[in-house]
Amino acid sequence: AQSVSQHNHHVILSEAASLELGCNYSYGGTVNLFWYVQYPGQHLQLLLKYFSGDPLVKGIKGFEAEFIKSKFSFNLRKPSVQWSDTAEYFCAVRVPPNNAGNMLTFGGGTRLMVKP
Amino acid sequence: DVKVTQSSRYLVKRTGEKVFLECVQDMDHENMFWYRQDPGLGLRLIYFSYDVKMKEKGDIPEGYSVSREKKERFSLILESASTNQTSMYLCASSLTPGVRGYTFGSGTRLTVV
Repeated sequence: AQSVSQHNHHVILSEAASLELGCNYSYGGTVNLFWYVQYPGQHLQLLLKYFSGDPLVKGIKGFEAEFIKSKFSFNLRKPSVQWSDTAEYFCAVRVPPNNAGNMLTFGGGTRLMVKP
Repeated sequence: DVKVTQSSRYLVKRTGEKVFLECVQDMDHENMFWYRQDPGLGLRLIYFSYDVKMKEKGDIPEGYSVSREKKERFSLILESASTNQTSMYLCASSLTPGVRGYTFGSGTRLTVV
Protein backbone atom coordinates (compact mmCIF):
# COMPACT_ATOMS: atom_id res chain seq x y z
CA ALA A 1 0.00 0.00 0.00
CA GLN A 2 1.17 3.49 -0.72
CA SER A 3 2.12 5.90 2.03
CA VAL A 4 2.51 9.65 2.11
CA SER A 5 5.02 11.52 4.24
CA GLN A 6 4.95 15.15 5.19
CA HIS A 7 8.17 15.81 7.05
CA ASN A 8 7.34 19.21 8.49
CA HIS A 9 4.66 18.96 11.13
CA HIS A 10 4.79 22.61 12.16
CA VAL A 11 6.07 25.56 10.18
CA ILE A 12 6.16 29.15 11.42
CA LEU A 13 6.87 31.95 8.98
CA SER A 14 6.64 35.70 8.87
CA GLU A 15 4.47 37.39 6.28
CA ALA A 16 6.12 37.72 2.87
CA ALA A 17 8.42 34.77 3.52
CA SER A 18 8.57 32.01 0.94
CA LEU A 19 6.99 28.65 1.69
CA GLU A 20 7.86 25.13 0.71
CA LEU A 21 6.10 22.14 2.27
CA GLY A 22 7.48 18.71 1.53
CA CYS A 23 5.46 15.70 0.42
CA ASN A 24 6.87 12.31 -0.52
CA TYR A 25 4.99 9.18 -1.44
CA SER A 26 6.00 5.58 -1.67
CA TYR A 27 4.23 4.19 -4.76
CA GLY A 28 6.37 3.44 -7.81
CA GLY A 29 3.75 3.64 -10.53
CA THR A 30 1.47 6.31 -11.90
CA VAL A 31 -0.15 8.46 -9.24
CA ASN A 32 -2.55 11.35 -8.94
CA LEU A 33 -1.47 13.93 -6.39
CA PHE A 34 -3.42 16.48 -4.37
CA TRP A 35 -2.88 19.21 -1.83
CA TYR A 36 -5.72 20.11 0.50
CA VAL A 37 -5.93 22.99 2.95
CA GLN A 38 -7.93 23.26 6.15
CA TYR A 39 -8.33 26.77 7.54
CA PRO A 40 -9.13 27.04 11.25
CA GLY A 41 -12.66 25.88 11.90
CA GLN A 42 -13.35 25.08 8.26
CA HIS A 43 -13.59 21.97 6.14
CA LEU A 44 -10.85 20.67 3.88
CA GLN A 45 -10.62 22.34 0.49
CA LEU A 46 -8.74 21.31 -2.61
CA LEU A 47 -5.77 23.59 -3.33
CA LEU A 48 -4.44 21.91 -6.44
CA LYS A 49 -4.02 18.56 -8.12
CA TYR A 50 -1.75 16.80 -10.57
CA PHE A 51 -2.89 14.08 -12.95
CA SER A 52 -0.61 14.33 -15.96
CA GLY A 53 1.18 16.81 -18.19
CA ASP A 54 3.14 19.80 -16.94
CA PRO A 55 4.67 18.76 -13.61
CA LEU A 56 4.40 22.32 -12.31
CA VAL A 57 0.83 22.77 -11.17
CA LYS A 58 -0.73 26.07 -10.22
CA GLY A 59 -3.55 26.17 -7.71
CA ILE A 60 -5.69 28.70 -5.95
CA LYS A 61 -4.44 31.60 -3.83
CA GLY A 62 -1.01 31.71 -5.44
CA PHE A 63 0.02 28.19 -4.48
CA GLU A 64 1.88 25.87 -6.81
CA ALA A 65 3.36 22.40 -6.57
CA GLU A 66 5.97 20.55 -8.54
CA PHE A 67 5.79 16.84 -9.26
CA ILE A 68 9.27 15.32 -9.41
CA LYS A 69 8.80 11.70 -10.37
CA SER A 70 12.40 10.68 -9.74
CA LYS A 71 12.16 11.93 -6.17
CA PHE A 72 8.59 10.70 -5.54
CA SER A 73 7.83 14.21 -4.38
CA PHE A 74 5.08 16.79 -4.77
CA ASN A 75 6.17 19.81 -2.77
CA LEU A 76 3.87 22.75 -2.23
CA ARG A 77 5.23 26.27 -2.69
CA LYS A 78 4.18 29.86 -2.38
CA PRO A 79 6.59 32.74 -3.02
CA SER A 80 5.15 35.11 -0.41
CA VAL A 81 2.83 33.94 2.35
CA GLN A 82 0.13 35.98 4.02
CA TRP A 83 -1.32 35.82 7.51
CA SER A 84 -4.48 34.33 5.95
CA ASP A 85 -2.47 31.29 4.81
CA THR A 86 -2.38 30.08 8.41
CA ALA A 87 -3.90 26.62 8.11
CA GLU A 88 -3.15 22.92 8.05
CA TYR A 89 -2.03 21.49 4.73
CA PHE A 90 -2.45 17.89 3.64
CA CYS A 91 -0.83 16.08 0.76
CA ALA A 92 -2.75 13.13 -0.71
CA VAL A 93 -2.10 10.42 -3.27
CA ARG A 94 -4.48 8.36 -5.36
CA VAL A 95 -3.38 5.35 -7.36
CA PRO A 96 -5.21 4.89 -10.67
CA PRO A 97 -6.70 3.11 -12.46
CA ASN A 98 -10.00 3.52 -10.87
CA ASN A 99 -9.73 1.41 -7.77
CA ALA A 100 -13.04 0.94 -6.04
CA GLY A 101 -14.00 4.08 -4.25
CA ASN A 102 -11.10 6.19 -5.52
CA MET A 103 -9.29 6.09 -2.22
CA LEU A 104 -6.97 8.90 -1.31
CA THR A 105 -4.11 8.27 1.07
CA PHE A 106 -3.28 11.34 3.13
CA GLY A 107 -0.10 12.52 4.74
CA GLY A 108 0.02 13.51 8.40
CA GLY A 109 -0.48 17.20 7.68
CA THR A 110 1.63 20.31 8.18
CA ARG A 111 0.45 23.12 10.40
CA LEU A 112 1.50 26.49 9.03
CA MET A 113 1.41 29.58 11.18
CA VAL A 114 2.11 32.92 9.52
CA LYS A 115 3.03 35.71 11.89
CA PRO A 116 1.68 39.12 10.91
CA ASP B 1 -21.49 23.81 -5.17
CA VAL B 2 -21.48 20.29 -3.87
CA LYS B 3 -22.44 20.17 -0.27
CA VAL B 4 -21.51 17.49 2.18
CA THR B 5 -23.41 17.94 5.41
CA GLN B 6 -22.59 16.26 8.67
CA SER B 7 -25.47 16.33 11.09
CA SER B 8 -23.55 17.29 14.22
CA ARG B 9 -20.60 19.61 14.73
CA TYR B 10 -19.91 18.49 18.30
CA LEU B 11 -20.97 15.37 20.15
CA VAL B 12 -20.25 14.11 23.65
CA LYS B 13 -21.06 10.47 24.36
CA ARG B 14 -20.44 8.03 27.16
CA THR B 15 -18.25 4.95 26.97
CA GLY B 16 -20.26 1.99 25.72
CA GLU B 17 -22.92 4.03 23.95
CA LYS B 18 -23.84 3.28 20.36
CA VAL B 19 -23.13 6.39 18.30
CA PHE B 20 -24.43 7.34 14.87
CA LEU B 21 -22.69 9.95 12.73
CA GLU B 22 -24.68 11.01 9.69
CA CYS B 23 -23.46 12.41 6.40
CA VAL B 24 -25.51 13.61 3.45
CA GLN B 25 -24.30 14.85 0.06
CA ASP B 26 -26.46 16.57 -2.51
CA MET B 27 -24.67 16.01 -5.83
CA ASP B 28 -25.34 12.40 -6.69
CA HIS B 29 -21.79 11.27 -5.96
CA GLU B 30 -21.20 7.55 -6.13
CA ASN B 31 -18.38 7.45 -3.62
CA MET B 32 -18.53 8.38 0.04
CA PHE B 33 -15.89 8.12 2.73
CA TRP B 34 -15.43 8.35 6.46
CA TYR B 35 -12.09 9.52 7.87
CA ARG B 36 -10.92 10.34 11.32
CA GLN B 37 -8.47 13.16 11.79
CA ASP B 38 -6.00 13.12 14.68
CA PRO B 39 -3.07 15.49 15.30
CA GLY B 40 0.11 14.27 13.66
CA LEU B 41 -1.66 11.32 12.02
CA GLY B 42 -3.47 13.20 9.29
CA LEU B 43 -6.61 11.64 7.88
CA ARG B 44 -7.07 7.92 8.20
CA LEU B 45 -9.72 6.10 6.22
CA ILE B 46 -12.24 4.14 8.28
CA TYR B 47 -14.70 2.93 5.63
CA PHE B 48 -15.82 3.89 2.18
CA SER B 49 -18.70 3.10 -0.12
CA TYR B 50 -18.76 3.19 -3.92
CA ASP B 51 -22.45 2.42 -4.34
CA VAL B 52 -25.65 1.97 -2.40
CA LYS B 53 -25.38 -0.94 0.04
CA MET B 54 -21.72 -1.42 -0.91
CA LYS B 55 -19.00 -0.83 1.65
CA GLU B 56 -15.31 -1.46 1.95
CA LYS B 57 -13.02 -1.35 4.96
CA GLY B 58 -10.39 1.32 5.05
CA ASP B 59 -7.24 1.35 7.13
CA ILE B 60 -8.79 1.48 10.61
CA PRO B 61 -12.26 -0.15 10.54
CA GLU B 62 -12.10 -1.81 13.96
CA GLY B 63 -14.84 -0.63 16.27
CA TYR B 64 -16.82 0.97 13.45
CA SER B 65 -19.47 -0.03 10.96
CA VAL B 66 -21.27 1.86 8.21
CA SER B 67 -24.57 1.95 6.43
CA ARG B 68 -25.46 3.22 2.98
CA GLU B 69 -29.12 2.58 2.26
CA LYS B 70 -29.50 5.60 -0.02
CA LYS B 71 -27.01 7.13 -2.41
CA GLU B 72 -26.93 10.49 -0.67
CA ARG B 73 -26.49 9.24 2.89
CA PHE B 74 -23.56 7.45 4.50
CA SER B 75 -23.70 6.71 8.22
CA LEU B 76 -20.83 5.83 10.51
CA ILE B 77 -21.69 3.73 13.55
CA LEU B 78 -19.62 3.27 16.65
CA GLU B 79 -21.00 0.05 18.05
CA SER B 80 -19.73 0.65 21.60
CA ALA B 81 -17.94 3.96 21.94
CA SER B 82 -14.58 4.01 23.66
CA THR B 83 -12.37 6.88 24.78
CA ASN B 84 -9.82 6.14 22.04
CA GLN B 85 -12.50 6.98 19.50
CA THR B 86 -12.47 10.59 20.63
CA SER B 87 -11.56 12.36 17.41
CA MET B 88 -12.64 14.57 14.56
CA TYR B 89 -14.64 12.60 12.02
CA LEU B 90 -14.76 13.78 8.43
CA CYS B 91 -17.12 12.64 5.72
CA ALA B 92 -16.26 13.13 2.05
CA SER B 93 -17.76 12.31 -1.31
CA SER B 94 -16.51 12.13 -4.87
CA LEU B 95 -17.50 11.23 -8.38
CA THR B 96 -15.89 8.34 -10.18
CA PRO B 97 -13.07 8.58 -11.27
CA GLY B 98 -12.60 11.39 -8.79
CA VAL B 99 -10.72 13.81 -11.00
CA ARG B 100 -11.85 16.73 -8.89
CA GLY B 101 -10.72 15.12 -5.68
CA TYR B 102 -13.00 14.92 -2.70
CA THR B 103 -15.53 17.29 -1.22
CA PHE B 104 -15.43 17.26 2.55
CA GLY B 105 -17.99 17.98 5.21
CA SER B 106 -17.23 20.30 8.12
CA GLY B 107 -16.52 17.45 10.48
CA THR B 108 -17.95 16.12 13.72
CA ARG B 109 -15.83 16.44 16.83
CA LEU B 110 -16.72 13.47 18.97
CA THR B 111 -15.68 13.25 22.61
CA VAL B 112 -16.20 9.96 24.42
CA VAL B 113 -16.14 10.28 28.19
